[in-house]
Amino acid sequence: IAGITQAPTSQILAAGRRMTLRCTQDMRHNAMYWYRQDLGLGLRLIHYSNTAGTTGKGEVPDGYSVSRANTDDFPLTLASAVPSQTSVYFCASSPLGWDSALSGANVLTFGAGSRLTVL
Amino acid sequence: KNEVEQSPQNLTAQEGEFITINCSYSVGISALHWLQQHPGGGIVSLFMLSSGKKKHGRLIATINIQEKHSSLHITASHPRDSAVYICAVRSNTGNQFYFGTGTSLTVIP
Repeated sequence: IAGITQAPTSQILAAGRRMTLRCTQDMRHNAMYWYRQDLGLGLRLIHYSNTAGTTGKGEVPDGYSVSRANTDDFPLTLASAVPSQTSVYFCASSPLGWDSALSGANVLTFGAGSRLTVL
Repeated sequence: KNEVEQSPQNLTAQEGEFITINCSYSVGISALHWLQQHPGGGIVSLFMLSSGKKKHGRLIATINIQEKHSSLHITASHPRDSAVYICAVRSNTGNQFYFGTGTSLTVIP
């Protein structure tokens, strides 16, 4: 079944530890995104990637890094986790790039989310 | 400053009621999405609109580009409609999606 797979589903880790959230899509979408969702706030963009080999910073990038070695995978790494990074993380993808001028055709597909608790 | 505002934040309805959720936005857009987030957390796309109206089953979404406003209607609501409904817009500069904070809907049998 085509879609996005995120792992882990849930994780508790100690502050200061390194953590990588995995995201894989099989739809051959160009663009991929990482969002965090916190109570009372809308989804906020952490990092994005237009296409394999390129990445960009979103609204809340500090403390996070990403890589896009190929079309399918877009891991999110917390180099040294802090309690404020406790959140639910969603990976998403779309068939068109971040800078695309085309309108109305950009379907957005989400993963199931990864709940991260930093103690 | 929120580029996307939704109302109401919370909504409780009796089964069978007609429900309306509103979304206003302040940026130029190429498309507007209505998303549904299930109690288990998964997010699915219900509609993508750039003009007019779309219908899918008991769900109807409308958009008024001039007024920068969209509504999501649910006819004959059912407890299984209980979820958080999120409005999202894609900027017409192609730069990013902006999300509302969601409307939490509870439909009581």
